[in-house]
Amino acid sequence: AQRVTQPEKLLSVFKGAPVELKCNYSYSGSPELFWYVQYSRQRLQLLLRHISRESIKGFTADLNKGETSFHLKKPFAQEEDSAMYYCALYNFGNEKLTFGTGTRLTIIP
Amino acid sequence: DTAVSQTPKYLVTQMGNDKSIKCEQNLGHDTMYWYKQDSKKFLKIMFSYNNKELIINETVPNRFSPKSPDKAHLNLHINSLELGDSAVYFCASSHPTSGGADTQYFGPGTRLTVL
Repeated sequence: AQRVTQPEKLLSVFKGAPVELKCNYSYSGSPELFWYVQYSRQRLQLLLRHISRESIKGFTADLNKGETSFHLKKPFAQEEDSAMYYCALYNFGNEKLTFGTGTRLTIIP
Repeated sequence: DTAVSQTPKYLVTQMGNDKSIKCEQNLGHDTMYWYKQDSKKFLKIMFSYNNKELIINETVPNRFSPKSPDKAHLNLHINSLELGDSAVYFCASSHPTSGGADTQYFGPGTRLTVL
């Protein structure tokens, strides 16, 4: 069965400091991974997906199959990055998107 | 506005009541979903429909019944509400993306409080 683990429930980082939100997964097939973000009073929205290999709002995430990780990184945190971040894995077999438990990121001014 | 919309935004009701939450998407997507987000912010799939057909039905009590009158709507009906049903319920829709899994677009959520 697929599983997504986000070990940090809360993460506080000073503005301008680097950010790393951890995500590990377990999945027997070839995974497709996503990061979704929920800003205060807004709906959950896609931030980025690993197959796109793009940087969104300064965030990047690299799929590391050896470590089964998909950590989200940003070199310099901004106040507007404060939000709830969810890592998610898509299982092509059962067509389910499984979410991690989320990490609440707070950027300290 | 092209989006996924849900009504109501807030729902407060007594234990034992029956209630419905409505979801509509005007994105032309074929697949729609219901997720439950509990008090610890854990987000879990409940159901998904593709073109009005049930695809995913997680181990949800049968008090929960989704209904899809057409592919733009997926409503969630809950019978005999219990305290543990209190949560935020999110509707989502998706369309196939070339070369990968579907991108899901979420509604604003419905906060259900059972007293």
